[in-house]
Amino acid sequence: DIQMTQSPSSLSASVGDRVTITCRASQSIAIYLSWYQHKPGKAPKLLIYAASNLQSGVPSRFSGSRSGTDFTLTINSLQPEDFATYFCQQSYSTPYSFGQGTKLEI
Amino acid sequence: QVQLVASGGGLVKPGESLRLSCAASGFTFSDYYMSWIRQAPGRGLEWLSYISATGNTISYAGSEEGRFTISRDNAKNSLFLQVNSLRVEDTALYYCVRERRATGIYYFDLWGQGTLVTVSS
Repeated sequence: DIQMTQSPSSLSASVGDRVTITCRASQSIAIYLSWYQHKPGKAPKLLIYAASNLQSGVPSRFSGSRSGTDFTLTINSLQPEDFATYFCQQSYSTPYSFGQGTKLEI
Repeated sequence: QVQLVASGGGLVKPGESLRLSCAASGFTFSDYYMSWIRQAPGRGLEWLSYISATGNTISYAGSEEGRFTISRDNAKNSLFLQVNSLRVEDTALYYCVRERRATGIYYFDLWGQGTLVTVSS
C-alpha cells in the first residue's frame, strides 16, 4: 500500500501570508495526487487534482506542484476563509490513501 | 443542486449491522464511480470502497473486504454500504463521495457531509 506523509500537522499563519504544505508518497504515484480543504461540519472540497490542476471555482491563490514523489500545496495571500484543514490523497492505486492532514490556524 | 446526502448512521452495539445510504441529486448519477470514505475521531481519512458507474467493478480496501459491501441503484440515484459485524473501531463519520475519472486521472470532486456511525456497548 502507498503511504502518504503530510507535513506539517499544524501551521499558524496570518492573513496575507504565503504557506506551503507538503505530501510525500512512499513510492512513485506520477501525478495522481489531489488536495482537499475541510472545514468543521462541512463536506471536504476539492482544490487541486493531478498534482497541479486547479479545480473549477477554486481561487487562483491556491496552487500545487510536484517534484518526484514530493507534492506541495501553496496558498498565496491567505484569506480568512482559508483557515481550515488540508489533506492530500493519492489515486495511483487502490487502496487510495490520504495524508494525515494539516490544520491551518490563525 | 448538485449534492450527496448520506444517511443511515446511528448508535449500534458491537456485532450489529448497518446499511448506509447516499442520495445523489443534481447530476447524472449513473455516469460516475462512487466511493465510501470514513474518518474516525482524531484520525485521518480512510478510503473504504468504490463501485463503478454500472456497478460491474468494485474494489475494497483490503482490511475491510468481507464485512463491507458496496452497491448502487442507478434508477434511484442511490449508493449503499452494508457494514456487518460492527466493531468499536468502526466508529467514524462515513462520507459518500463522487469520483471523477477524466483521461486516466482520478479524483474525488464531490463529497457529502457524512453520516455518523457510533459503535458502543
